[in-house]
Amino acid sequence: GAVVSQHPSRVICKSGTSVKIECRSLDFQATTMFWYRQFPKQSLMLMATSNEGSKATYEQGVEKDKFLINHASLTLSTLTVTSAHPEDSSFYICSASQGETGYTFGSGTRLTVV
Amino acid sequence: AQSVSQHNHHVILSEAASLELGCNYSYGGTVNLFWYVQYPGQHLQLLLKYFSGDPLVKGIKGFEAEFIKSKFSFNLRKPSVQWSDTAEYFCAVSNAGNNRKLIWGLGTSLAVNP
Repeated sequence: GAVVSQHPSRVICKSGTSVKIECRSLDFQATTMFWYRQFPKQSLMLMATSNEGSKATYEQGVEKDKFLINHASLTLSTLTVTSAHPEDSSFYICSASQGETGYTFGSGTRLTVV
Repeated sequence: AQSVSQHNHHVILSEAASLELGCNYSYGGTVNLFWYVQYPGQHLQLLLKYFSGDPLVKGIKGFEAEFIKSKFSFNLRKPSVQWSDTAEYFCAVSNAGNNRKLIWGLGTSLAVNP
């Protein structure tokens, strides 16, 4: 079946530094990828929709300059958390769309900013 | 605006009990409906999905869900739960058009006691 690989699974960084998270579709091409943030005991919050070859579409309230998304190829999207602060600590999840009805999720990245 | 409501936030059952988790959505158009499961420490996995055809959908691990259009509902059921079903369950909806954005419910935490 379709697999989405997300790296790293865990990262700890110092406040003020930037962190890049990669999301790869391993055996299919994903023209659209989604980036989510999940708070403890809560549902997924969609941050942005990443479209290959074009700018990402950010949800209301999500700072595009802070959460940089690049979708340069049909199999790779990256999320860079710039100038990270402790409040950015969270679980970040990507998913790739396989047409109208299919979504495959990455295993998530636990970001801790100290 | 589209929204998804899951009625039960926490459910505790004994093994062999029957399970029904409620999910209602608000959207007037044609929808695709999903149930995802997140086992402790693991990533999201698709349980089942509906996009057309028979409104009674059978998924993995003995789960099923019924789409009742008139009630805007897509409740998840399992006749007899097992301890291994302990997990978070999320209902999600997307419109059937070109926008593949998933709208998520807040999730239901299911604990099955052996």
